[in-house]
Amino acid sequence: QQPVQSPQAVILREGEDAVINCSSSKALYSVHWYRQKHGEAPVFLMILLKGGEQKGHEKISASFNEKKQQSSLYLTASQLSYSGTYFCGTDLQGAQKLVFGQGTRLTINP
Amino acid sequence: EPEVTQTPSHQVTQMGQEVILRCVPISNHLYFYWYRQILGQKVEFLVSFYNNEISEKSEIFDDQFSVERPDGSNFTLKIRSTKLEDSAMYFCASSESLTQYFGPGTRLLVL
Repeated sequence: QQPVQSPQAVILREGEDAVINCSSSKALYSVHWYRQKHGEAPVFLMILLKGGEQKGHEKISASFNEKKQQSSLYLTASQLSYSGTYFCGTDLQGAQKLVFGQGTRLTINP
Repeated sequence: EPEVTQTPSHQVTQMGQEVILRCVPISNHLYFYWYRQILGQKVEFLVSFYNNEISEKSEIFDDQFSVERPDGSNFTLKIRSTKLEDSAMYFCASSESLTQYFGPGTRLLVL
C-alpha cells in the first residue's frame, strides 16, 4: 500500500522553510527520501530506519515517528536548488522493495 | 563518484516488439532493481534481483517482463511484447545494503 504524502505541492520564497510528510498505514522498516528534478533520475537524500531516528544533512533533515508510522522531511532556509519533486519510498520488511508516495512538488521562487 | 548507467537513453518501438533495456550497476553493489515512472506519476517498483535471482516482484512485473544478469556487469530488463501502456521512464537502481542509487533512466515510447 502506497504511503501518503502531504502537501501535494508547496511554493516558497528562497530562504523559507518547508515540511513534507509521509504517512503509512503499515508498520515500516525504513523510509527513504529522494528528490527528482524534471526529466532526471531520483536522487537519494537520506534513509531512516525504524527506531524513531532523526537525520540531517546541511539544511535538510528528516525524522521518523515509529508510533505514527510517519516521516517528515524538513527543508530549512530553502535554496533555489531545492526545487523539485520529493518522494518518500517505504520499505516494510527490509526487503528493499520501495513503494513510493505520489510526491510533493516544491517550487522555490527568488 | 561511481554511478549507475543505463542505455539507451531513449527508445521508440512499435507495439508488439521486444525491447531490452540495459543497466550497469555500481560495481560493488549486490542488489539490483527496476522501477518505472509513467509521465507525471510516481515511481513504481517492478522487480528486485539478488544472487542471480528475483527476490521480489510487483503485480506489474508479469510474464511479458524478464530480468537477467548476463555477465558480471550488466543487468537487463526485457519486455517481450510491448504494449502502449508500457510507455514510461524505466529506472535501474542498485544498492550495497539499504540505500538505492538510481540510474538516469531509459525513456521508452511504444507506438
